[in-house]
Amino acid sequence: DADVTQTPRNRITKTGKRIMLECSQTKGHDRMYWYRQDPGLGLRLIYYSFDVKDINKGEISDGYSVSRQAQAKFSLSLESAIPNQTALYFCATQGRTNQETQYFGPGTRLLVL
Amino acid sequence: GQSLEQPSEVTAVEGAIVQINCTYQTSGFYGLSWYQQHDGGAPTFLSYNALDGLEETGRFSSFLSRSDSYGYLLLQELQMKDSASYFCAALNSGYSTLTFGKGTMLLVSP
Repeated sequence: DADVTQTPRNRITKTGKRIMLECSQTKGHDRMYWYRQDPGLGLRLIYYSFDVKDINKGEISDGYSVSRQAQAKFSLSLESAIPNQTALYFCATQGRTNQETQYFGPGTRLLVL
Repeated sequence: GQSLEQPSEVTAVEGAIVQINCTYQTSGFYGLSWYQQHDGGAPTFLSYNALDGLEETGRFSSFLSRSDSYGYLLLQELQMKDSASYFCAALNSGYSTLTFGKGTMLLVSP
């Protein structure tokens, strides 16, 4: 089984809809991250969390919110989706040892019409 | 914050050696990582340099020069399966976050 899973893997939604992307991990890592990837722009950090009570904004947090429901779960919400949020979204985890390494989920392809 | 520059595309033939360069402008820089991503799949960790010098992991090596704010990934004995995007990423202070470059697409031809 995959260590970092994301649901859904693909999603099409309409402008103005609320949508939640979910991430779960079985690696036992404290740190979790949400990134978006756009062609030619690399990976950009949206939010990150070091434990259940810790939430931090990343480079591009506007229009997004997150919830860390448990050590193993970190959800990303788009309160009112807009077309320029169409992107590939990745969740990642990082442990206390080998802190230079992040482990990525398979990604969620989101299309906002 | 950090900004990283790397070439957008590199081409090479099977069996060759290719070097992907990365320059960075930093504050709170801890080290440089490299990730590989095949065609929209999950990025996977390749290598990390905390100190100046060369780190070797099989066919892949990574180099860092802090004084030059420069690093590179060296891929030897290229195989078709090495065709992918490669990202350099700066590890920020406190090992807290990574800032990624925009990625280099490597195309390996027969």
